[in-house]
Amino acid sequence: EVQLVESGGGLVPPGGSLRLSCAASGFTFTTYWMHWVRQVPGKGLVWVSRLNGDGSATRYADSVKGRFTISRDNAKNTLYLQMNSLRAEDTAVYYCAREGGDQALDFWGQGTLVTVSS
Amino acid sequence: DIVMTQSPDTLAVSLGERATINCKSSQSVLYSSNNKNYLAWYQQRPGQPPKLLFYWASTRESGVPDRFSGSGSGTDFTLTISSVQAEDVAVYYCQQYYSTRTFGQGTKVEIK
Repeated sequence: EVQLVESGGGLVPPGGSLRLSCAASGFTFTTYWMHWVRQVPGKGLVWVSRLNGDGSATRYADSVKGRFTISRDNAKNTLYLQMNSLRAEDTAVYYCAREGGDQALDFWGQGTLVTVSS
Repeated sequence: DIVMTQSPDTLAVSLGERATINCKSSQSVLYSSNNKNYLAWYQQRPGQPPKLLFYWASTRESGVPDRFSGSGSGTDFTLTISSVQAEDVAVYYCQQYYSTRTFGQGTKVEIK
């Protein structure tokens, strides 16, 4: 059974940093592109970033470029999102998601809440 | 960036009635080399993460009930629920993956 479990969310002041993790199981992690998507509570979904299977190719939304870094440790079956220079508008639930062979996001974690506030 | 616009924002339907959700992209998401529309639909029930319903605009994900259907091509797409059930109460999102990824703003389906 495919499972994605996010962790690392919490309360952080503006300008602070946080690293999110997404532990994957139930599939061959290294062969899948992975994504981060965020959602302000009560609002819509916003794509954040993606990373290919060996970690060599990244893409970011303009809103996080230069502040967030996506990475993975295939030996630990874990995806990461390093978030620096956090702003109030980064407050959201962050989901990790797997990109299936058809390129849609076929499995999602339960999400972890990041709150940026003083 | 490709902008995705859904309509309506909210849809109230009676149990057993048909629900139709529209999604329009600011540019075509049809890739001419393979004739595939890079468009997916997701369902997000309250308190849950999104769930994939359709990819390539009309290919149903395994396990999705056949009362759900996806259609359209180019810039105009539709998600239809032929006979709405109580468990279909959710927010539905379209997403293009032709150029990075963008989501529509969501359509909330509720029971009248």
